[in-house]
Amino acid sequence: DTAVSQTPKYLVTQMGNDKSIKCEQNLGHDTMYWYKQDSKKFLKIMFSYNNKELIINETVPNRFSPKSPDKAHLNLHINSLELGDSAVYFCASSRTGGARWGEKLFFGSGTQLSVL
Amino acid sequence: AQSVTQLDSQVPVFEEAPVELRCNYSSSVSVYLFWYVQYPNQGLQLLLKYLSGSTLVKGINGFEAEFNKSQTSFHLRKPSVHISDTAEYFCAVSGGNQFYFGTGTSLTVIP
Repeated sequence: DTAVSQTPKYLVTQMGNDKSIKCEQNLGHDTMYWYKQDSKKFLKIMFSYNNKELIINETVPNRFSPKSPDKAHLNLHINSLELGDSAVYFCASSRTGGARWGEKLFFGSGTQLSVL
Repeated sequence: AQSVTQLDSQVPVFEEAPVELRCNYSSSVSVYLFWYVQYPNQGLQLLLKYLSGSTLVKGINGFEAEFNKSQTSFHLRKPSVHISDTAEYFCAVSGGNQFYFGTGTSLTVIP
């Protein structure tokens, strides 16, 4: 069983469209994250949720909206897609507080988003 | 604030040779340190981490890293690399409630 699974793996879409990426973890973890990896492989935190509560909300355009229906799921909805949104988006989870306790992150395999 | 610098963006090395991937960090508080590996088209996987105690940390796949507080470094080493070690390697620090990642080092093992 995949610990952290995200769908779709590839997403090709036109500018201006709205799209969603789904993430689920079956590890029983309390904290989930969205990271963006750009073309230079730089990995940047976007959001973090702990037990469905938003705890990290980095400087991300309002067009990006995370939604956590329960602590096993963290979805990412993106409105009005722009060329600059093209990147690989990774979902991750950690057991409890993550960074604060030096816990490891479990990553999904990524969603390659291409905006044309 | 915390930051991580990986000094080498690309490291080519011959199979069975030793390798060192360098990582320096800056932080005003105590941090935890990590190395992750990313194989093509996959997510990141933890190689090893330093929380406290012995400054030499052993991880999976024969990798080890040494925490040096005075030099604020956490270099990753492997005495003999294999073709399968070809991947992207990320150093990371945790501070507060966030992880901070370096820009990655692409390790290419040459047969």
